Amino acid sequence: DTGVSQDPRHKITKRGQNVTFRCDPISEHNRLYWYRQTLGQGPEFLTYFQNEAQLEKSRLLSDRFSAERPKGSFSTLEIQRTEQGDSAMYLCASSPPGQSSYEQYFGPGTRLTVT
Amino acid sequence: AQKVTQAQTEISVVEKEDVTLDCVYETRDTTYYLFWYKQPPSGELVFLIRRNSFDEQNEISGRYSWNFQKSTSSFNFTITASQVVDSAVYFCALSEISDKLIFGTGTRLQVFP
Repeated sequence: DTGVSQDPRHKITKRGQNVTFRCDPISEHNRLYWYRQTLGQGPEFLTYFQNEAQLEKSRLLSDRFSAERPKGSFSTLEIQRTEQGDSAMYLCASSPPGQSSYEQYFGPGTRLTVT
Repeated sequence: AQKVTQAQTEISVVEKEDVTLDCVYETRDTTYYLFWYKQPPSGELVFLIRRNSFDEQNEISGRYSWNFQKSTSSFNFTITASQVVDSAVYFCALSEISDKLIFGTGTRLQVFP
């Protein structure tokens, strides 16, 4: 089954270090989304791509965060100079081409712990 | 502004009971979409249903049913004859012209045998 995959599944880092996460969407899907989920909360939107174009970024996304999708396939999310408040589950989702607001299919997430 | 409210933080039922999870949304758009997702203990969000704002027909899928009422801005989810495997956190979500999903805070459902 080729669902959305994310790597790594868990990351523990020290405050101030940089981390990078990878997301591989379902192969025919041209839209790719990043969300962040903290304990007891629903996922919060961070950013999304249609093909390689980054179409929207949340105000939650400080300038320490950057996302790329260089060839319109996989995407990376980098956090520079991590802070303890960055500890969360980072979720990636993808949806197929066509009309807007198709259902999004989520990956298993990357759990980040900043110590 | 867009907002999704799931007032029920946690619900506990005994197997075979029916349970309804409430969802109230706010939006200024006339075109929007509503979703329900399930997040089992394993953590991966599972898509359950998507409805657009022009389709108020209720939907049934097996033991699951959804009641969409624009007049009260609600999109409630009922599980009939609940089972232990239904135990999870359930999220209601909204999207408008932008594709991003706006999630509620979720309702944790515990089904006891």
